[in-house]
Amino acid sequence: DAGVIQSPRHEVTEMGQEVTLRCKPISGHNSLFWYRQTMMRGLELLIYFNNNVPIDDSGMPEDRFSAKMPNASFSTLKIQPSEPRDSAVYFCASRADSYEQYFGPGTRLTVT
Amino acid sequence: AQSVTQLGSHVSVSEGALVLLRCNYSSSVPPYLFWYVQYPNQGLQLLLKYTTGATLVKGINGFEAEFKKSETSFHLTKPSAHMSDAAEYFCAVSPGGGADGLTFGKGTHLIIQP
Repeated sequence: DAGVIQSPRHEVTEMGQEVTLRCKPISGHNSLFWYRQTMMRGLELLIYFNNNVPIDDSGMPEDRFSAKMPNASFSTLKIQPSEPRDSAVYFCASRADSYEQYFGPGTRLTVT
Repeated sequence: AQSVTQLGSHVSVSEGALVLLRCNYSSSVPPYLFWYVQYPNQGLQLLLKYTTGATLVKGINGFEAEFKKSETSFHLTKPSAHMSDAAEYFCAVSPGGGADGLTFGKGTHLIIQP
């Protein structure tokens, strides 16, 4: 099993640019989560999906953030326009029915 | 709503000594509790989880944790620390049923002294 796959692993962009982060969950998992990790705020849940449907997006910080899950094997997190305070590590995690979430390696985003 | 408090952002122990990482939680419903470990520049790996049943749970790498409802605690222990245990450890909670996302503590950086 390849585990949760995230791309890119590192992203450096300039303020105002659009950023798209990608996630491929583990095959057969029906829930997908996006988290953000910063020194100041720690690990925060941004949004999660069950069976491709967004269930709770209350953690999405602003309208500049959007997430989609067009099918069971792919999700995106988009930031438009990006700002320096969006710099963080973004994790994707997936889960089957066992309550255990499997995390990807993360995408380290730097906005200059 | 849930919250997690991890006492001590850094804990230092000698190799071979007992490891104790503290976690207290707040939850309006019976919680599911988790400990994750994060090595530098990597994702999070599950150490152990408590859902229902036995309150003492054993995980990987010799770690265990005990759910104490009266103390709202879920402390992580390991009898003998190894150099490879040096990492960041996160306690997390989700509402009973585990259907929602996780609420994490701020993390504890475990340092192992030779």
